[in-house]
Amino acid sequence: GEDVEQSLFLSVREGDSSVINCTYTDSSSTYLYWYKQEPGAGLQLLTYIFSNMDMKQDQRLTVLLNKKDKHLSLRIADTQTGDSAIYFCAEEWDGGATNKLIFGTGTLLAVQP
Amino acid sequence: DTEVTQTPKHLVMGMTNKKSLKCEQHMGHRAMYWYKQKAKKPPELMFVYSYEKLSINESVPSRFSPECPNSSLLNLHLHALQPEDSALYLCASSQADGNSPLHFGNGTRLTVT
Repeated sequence: GEDVEQSLFLSVREGDSSVINCTYTDSSSTYLYWYKQEPGAGLQLLTYIFSNMDMKQDQRLTVLLNKKDKHLSLRIADTQTGDSAIYFCAEEWDGGATNKLIFGTGTLLAVQP
Repeated sequence: DTEVTQTPKHLVMGMTNKKSLKCEQHMGHRAMYWYKQKAKKPPELMFVYSYEKLSINESVPSRFSPECPNSSLLNLHLHALQPEDSALYLCASSQADGNSPLHFGNGTRLTVT
């Protein structure tokens, strides 16, 4: 199947860390992605990780990949109110020369001041 | 700011109208995509173009007709739509190597009356 699962909602206080989890299905995905979507906007690429890596850090963002369990997480350090948005993980399905992404169900992150 | 530009931002059309959505990118990407996103749902792939040729059609009804006139432009022609076609239509582009991340526009919010 193509189900990529995420928890629907996460609420944190400003300054705390947020951890958003994702369970994917296609073990052959070369890359896994995190996108952010603010209200009324398109999807903004946050970061992505190559499948042979366990961890990738990019400023306040840390991605952890457990390939055995097909589990991906995004940690946001020092979460700010501007981080409030929906976060989608995405896995790729083999589309040949194109990158066919399958998106997770999305996690709404609410940051309380 | 996004490097993928979509017009119009909002569109209201009747079921007998014909309209077109437009997407433009100048990143030299040779793969372009149309996704449809209903409220509170993840984006769903509709069409993929690779080197200006249609490579993936996800069983989309014929009332949606894509066109890729050149490597920078992608259109979606709409005719005889239904109210359930109301959604956010997202355009994306990527390198045509099967592994590159997708860059999304801000979308066109379509309402069919």
